[in-house]
Amino acid sequence: RKEVEQDPGPFNVPEGATVAFNCTYSNSASQSFFWYRQDCRKEPKLLMSVYSSGNEDGRFTAQLNRASQYISLLIRDSKLSDSATYLCVVTLNSGGYQKVTFGIGTKLQVIP
Amino acid sequence: DVKVTQSSRYLVKRTGEKVFLECVQDMDHENMFWYRQDPGLGLRLIYFSYDVKMKEKGDIPEGYSVSREKKERFSLILESASTNQTSMYLCASSFHRGYTFGSGTRLTVV
Repeated sequence: RKEVEQDPGPFNVPEGATVAFNCTYSNSASQSFFWYRQDCRKEPKLLMSVYSSGNEDGRFTAQLNRASQYISLLIRDSKLSDSATYLCVVTLNSGGYQKVTFGIGTKLQVIP
Repeated sequence: DVKVTQSSRYLVKRTGEKVFLECVQDMDHENMFWYRQDPGLGLRLIYFSYDVKMKEKGDIPEGYSVSREKKERFSLILESASTNQTSMYLCASSFHRGYTFGSGTRLTVV
């Protein structure tokens, strides 16, 4: 089983739609969780951290389900500019270092 | 904002050449990382460093080495470039939570 798994998509959604991505992780001791956004041919950029209580930033909501070992990202009222690849990131303290694992990313295409 | 600068955006090198990829960060971060990103495989960690002159192997270190002589600079070295090292290379810097990436170097080995 991969350490971090994401559906690569693509998810094609119309403007204004609500779309949700999930990301599962295999190690129950994982500690920190993030969503990154990567535009085509650009570097990944931090979108938001994911907290146990869930967190919201405008149209974006991130949630963590430790019991089922997944994190989710919900985008409401999708915009054309939301088209990108969304990477989930999971960290784990291992051997005195912080091991960071990236998912392969979920591609979102918002269609006019 | 933290800035992570990679020296080249695009590089084309010949098989067998020694290749240097440079990365500089301007926020005095201790932690620096080199990843490569390939379609369907995502980001894979090559090497990382938590301090000057310190280096640790990541998940795919074979064929690569690194150098960290100064805190702000982390170099990735391809000792003898091969075609399977054609990829996007991303450097990152971090402090506590979250990474800042450089804009990437797209390396093609011919």
